[in-house]
Amino acid sequence: AQRVTQPEKLLSVFKGAPVELKCNYSYSGSPELFWYVQYSRQRLQLLLRHISRESIKGFTADLNKGETSFHLKKPFAQEEDSAMYYCALRALSAQKLVFGQGTRLTINP
Amino acid sequence: EAGVAQSPRYKIIEKRQSVAFWCNPISGHATLYWYQQILGQGPKLLIQFQNNGVVDDSQLPKDRFSAERLKGVDSTLKIQPAKLEDSAVYLCASSLYRNNEQFFGPGTRLTVL
Repeated sequence: AQRVTQPEKLLSVFKGAPVELKCNYSYSGSPELFWYVQYSRQRLQLLLRHISRESIKGFTADLNKGETSFHLKKPFAQEEDSAMYYCALRALSAQKLVFGQGTRLTINP
Repeated sequence: EAGVAQSPRYKIIEKRQSVAFWCNPISGHATLYWYQQILGQGPKLLIQFQNNGVVDDSQLPKDRFSAERLKGVDSTLKIQPAKLEDSAVYLCASSLYRNNEQFFGPGTRLTVL
């Protein structure tokens, strides 16, 4: 069974500080990993996916198969990064997304 | 391009009542998903349609939940009868095909009293 764990429900950092949102997964095969974001009063939307290996809004995430992790990082946090972040996994066989419980990120001025 | 539409946005009912939610996906999107998001948790897939056929409904409580997408476009999700634990946000999403990016609607917040 696929499982996604986000150990931090809440994370608060100061503007300009580095940010790391943790995501660990359990799955025996080769998964696709995603980060979704929900800003206040907005819809849930895709932030980035590991196969793209791109930086979106300054965020990056590297899939570490040895540690089964997909942590989201940004070197310098901005106030507009305050949002709810969800890590999600898609097993190639199941073709459905399994979400973590989410981390609420607050950037303090 | 218009996004995924859902209605109603909010619904309050008493336990044992029935309720229905409606979703209109992005035009041309073949795949439609219904998720349940309980407070403090991430979204959980209830059912996935490919056109008008069900791909995955393994987590749908079929004794009380039903969903249909008769013409392969819009969809309805029904709960009958509702229980207190059904209080949640019900999200609809659509994608062009099964492994493409999913676009989410604004959700329907259901409160069961």
